[in-house]
Amino acid sequence: VQLVESGGGLVQPGGSLRLSCSASGFTFSSFAMSWVRQAPGKGLEWVSYINGRASTIYYADSVKGRFTISRDNAQDSLYLQMNSLRAEDTAVYYCTRYSTSYDFDSWGQGTLVTVSS
Amino acid sequence: DIQMTQSPSTLSASVGDRVTITCRASQSISSWLAWFQQKPGKAPKLLIYGASNLESGVPSRFSGSGSGTEFTLTISSLQPDDFATYYCQQYSNYWTFGQGTKVEIK
Repeated sequence: VQLVESGGGLVQPGGSLRLSCSASGFTFSSFAMSWVRQAPGKGLEWVSYINGRASTIYYADSVKGRFTISRDNAQDSLYLQMNSLRAEDTAVYYCTRYSTSYDFDSWGQGTLVTVSS
Repeated sequence: DIQMTQSPSTLSASVGDRVTITCRASQSISSWLAWFQQKPGKAPKLLIYGASNLESGVPSRFSGSGSGTEFTLTISSLQPDDFATYYCQQYSNYWTFGQGTKVEIK
């Protein structure tokens, strides 16, 4: 199993960014996926969830209405569109594989998003 | 929302020590509890799922117990590779992490 995030960087407050996660080593469409973030020096925070068919999606209250999770099963890819970014969204964003049986059992290396003027 | 509270926040221990970390949920989560280990600059690593099930490849010195609202992670004999931060996390109702426990060298 391999998960590789990309798309992080420096963005101004109010700006947008799209994160991508490329998956390999497993049948991507069979698994739910999530994004989890970690602000510098802080703990872990779940951000968003999408099931295998993209028919069920959840968001943390802190990002609801601003972030959109999606996936392309043909491309084995997960995305996070982040709009109206705030300083408090500054964090390393991790792509994770989820199953009810094993929870978040595989993680990417993370991509850093910095929101600053 | 379900809140997860870990104790202690920091733990100083020596190689060979038996270490116990406690996690408390604000409401019952049955056995929907996982433990993760994180080292600086690295992604978290799953250690325990379902409160007491050892993830494949994780050393047997790690064990988890509990159900409902009280859970523990035990390291039976602390090894140099175990100095890290540990997080509990519930997956009963959405997903919530504890604040973390840093295990330091005494």
